[in-house]
Amino acid sequence: GAVVSQHPSRVICKSGTSVKIECRSLDFQATTMFWYRQFPKQSLMLMATSNEGSKATYEQGVEKDKFLINHASLTLSTLTVTSAHPEDSSFYICSAGTSGWGTQYFGPGTRLLVL
Amino acid sequence: EDKVVQSPLSLVVHEGDTVTLNCSYEVTNFRSLLWYKQEKKAPTFLFMLTSSGIEKKSGRLSSILDKKELSSILNITATQTGDSAIYLCAVEEQGAQKLVFGQGTRLTINP
Repeated sequence: GAVVSQHPSRVICKSGTSVKIECRSLDFQATTMFWYRQFPKQSLMLMATSNEGSKATYEQGVEKDKFLINHASLTLSTLTVTSAHPEDSSFYICSAGTSGWGTQYFGPGTRLLVL
Repeated sequence: EDKVVQSPLSLVVHEGDTVTLNCSYEVTNFRSLLWYKQEKKAPTFLFMLTSSGIEKKSGRLSSILDKKELSSILNITATQTGDSAIYLCAVEEQGAQKLVFGQGTRLTINP
């Protein structure tokens, strides 16, 4: 079946630093990748939709300059949290889909803690 | 604004019981409704429903969509402790591909 990986699985960083999270589709080509954030005991909130070779589409309230998304190939998308602050601490999950699919396959998530 | 509401938010039952989880939605151009199970990490896919009235089944889990009532249910029979998880319902719009998630139902199965 479709496998999506994320790296790192957990990261702790100091306030003000930048953190890059990678999302890879391992056995299929993903034309679209999605980035979600999940706070404790809350549901997944879509941050942005990323299409290969074009600019990401951000959801309302998500700062594009703070959460940089790059989708350079059909198997890799990256999310960079720039100048991270403690309130950015969260569980970040990516998912991947192919044009025409209704199903998205999720990566295992990255837990970010900003001190 | 698209909206997905799940109920109950939390449910505690004994092993062997049957549970029914609910999901209702308001979307502009409905394409599909999906159910996911989330344990400690990312959600795993359970079902995708597009047609009303057709039950999808996988072992002890089953789900059905009612487009007239704009809702879906997820049934789990003969529950086991391994069914303890958060169950998420999500809706996809036509042409959008992005998913709108409900708040989830936290299901706890006690031995």
